[in-house]
Amino acid sequence: GQNIDQPTEMTATEGAIVQINCTYQTSGFNGLFWYQQHAGEAPTFLSYNVLDGLEEKGRFSSFLSRSKGYSYLLLKELQMKDSASYLCAVRDPNRDDKIIFGKGTRLHILP
Amino acid sequence: GAVVSQHPSWVICKSGTSVKIECRSLDFQATTMFWYRQFPKQSLMLMATSNEGSKATYEQGVEKDKFLINHASLTLSTLTVTSAHPEDSSFYICSARDRRGLAGSRGTDTQYFGPGTRLTVL
Repeated sequence: GQNIDQPTEMTATEGAIVQINCTYQTSGFNGLFWYQQHAGEAPTFLSYNVLDGLEEKGRFSSFLSRSKGYSYLLLKELQMKDSASYLCAVRDPNRDDKIIFGKGTRLHILP
Repeated sequence: GAVVSQHPSWVICKSGTSVKIECRSLDFQATTMFWYRQFPKQSLMLMATSNEGSKATYEQGVEKDKFLINHASLTLSTLTVTSAHPEDSSFYICSARDRRGLAGSRGTDTQYFGPGTRLTVL
């Protein structure tokens, strides 16, 4: 079956670092995505990992381990505007390359 | 990143009427577009996959006669909610697959979302 797990909610302090974990079990794998979604808005693309390792993009980094079915999104120097839901998603080639979404992690930033 | 537009951004209609939502990829050609629905505080639910020049494929439980999808060109897909009912009120979001830059081992086969359409059926 398809299963993508990530924590429901997390809280962090402005200026700090937070790591959001995601584990997945899918029949196939063709890339892992992280999206940010603010309340009432559509998701915006953050990162895409298809090979193992760390991809860094400014304050955000994403890590992938395919053998472990594991990824994390690392947010540094947190800002209040980072308060949002973060969606982990996996593309499954055994499902016509559809992207399967986790339920998202709601991140609260405290001043 | 790539730009995907959606129109209208919000719509209010009476029960029984039909509503058409457009999704356009503005700076790339998308052979595949996806339609999602999201209810408040819930995850994105994939409704259907729209392929240019062919029939859409629908997820289990989604009525293809109620949610008509047309992918007439490489930059445009439309979703028509026919005979809308209040329970169809939701946030509808399209997404387009950007397969540019696939050459090389680290191609960026990414998927970008439109801004969404909030449908309210009275």
